[in-house]
Amino acid sequence: KAGVTQTPRYLIKTRGQQVTLSCSPISGHRSVSWYQQTPGQGLQFLFEYFSETQRNKGNFPGRFSGRQFSNSRSEMNVSTLELGDSALYLCASSKMGITGELFFGEGSRLTVL
Amino acid sequence: GQSLEQPSEVTAVEGAIVQINCTYQTSGFYGLSWYQQHDGGAPTFLSYNGLDGLEETGRFSSFLSRSDSYGYLLLQELQMKDSASYFCAVRPRDDKIIFGKGTRLHILP
Repeated sequence: KAGVTQTPRYLIKTRGQQVTLSCSPISGHRSVSWYQQTPGQGLQFLFEYFSETQRNKGNFPGRFSGRQFSNSRSEMNVSTLELGDSALYLCASSKMGITGELFFGEGSRLTVL
Repeated sequence: GQSLEQPSEVTAVEGAIVQINCTYQTSGFYGLSWYQQHDGGAPTFLSYNGLDGLEETGRFSSFLSRSDSYGYLLLQELQMKDSASYFCAVRPRDDKIIFGKGTRLHILP
């Protein structure tokens, strides 16, 4: 069975631009969560979606937003990019939420110049 | 605030046993999870302790003690392929999942 797919895998943007990242969860998984990973801060929770509803949001500015579609696919958007947004953005899916096993995608590596 | 503390690096010898500790400051969470991440790869799930005690999965075991606010991951018969970063994670009730900053495991031949 296919794993979690994230696109694009790598991208380079300049300050002030915006970016949209996509995540396709494992078939049958209704929960999708997003994380920012940086060397200094580790994995930090961005959002969690379940059945198209945002269930939780991490401590990130409003420039970070997301959504989930009826087929459970999810997107996250970062507007007005800053240098500090350079990171690996990971998406994870699970059947019922994030209390148990999360299945992660390979991530989208964003570089902001 | 709520936080998870892990050692930043641990070094062990191939074939040996290593324990990676995770202490936390949070109350009322669902359970403690462990993930492994190789360089350039995605984190992969290793174990979940919903209850206190020891969970064993092959060469890996994980332990949780809520009364001591402490958990650990135990890796036995270390292999070179176990060189990776290991993260503990909890989801406090009514709050957002928290990951530790990760422990980089170096294995010497």
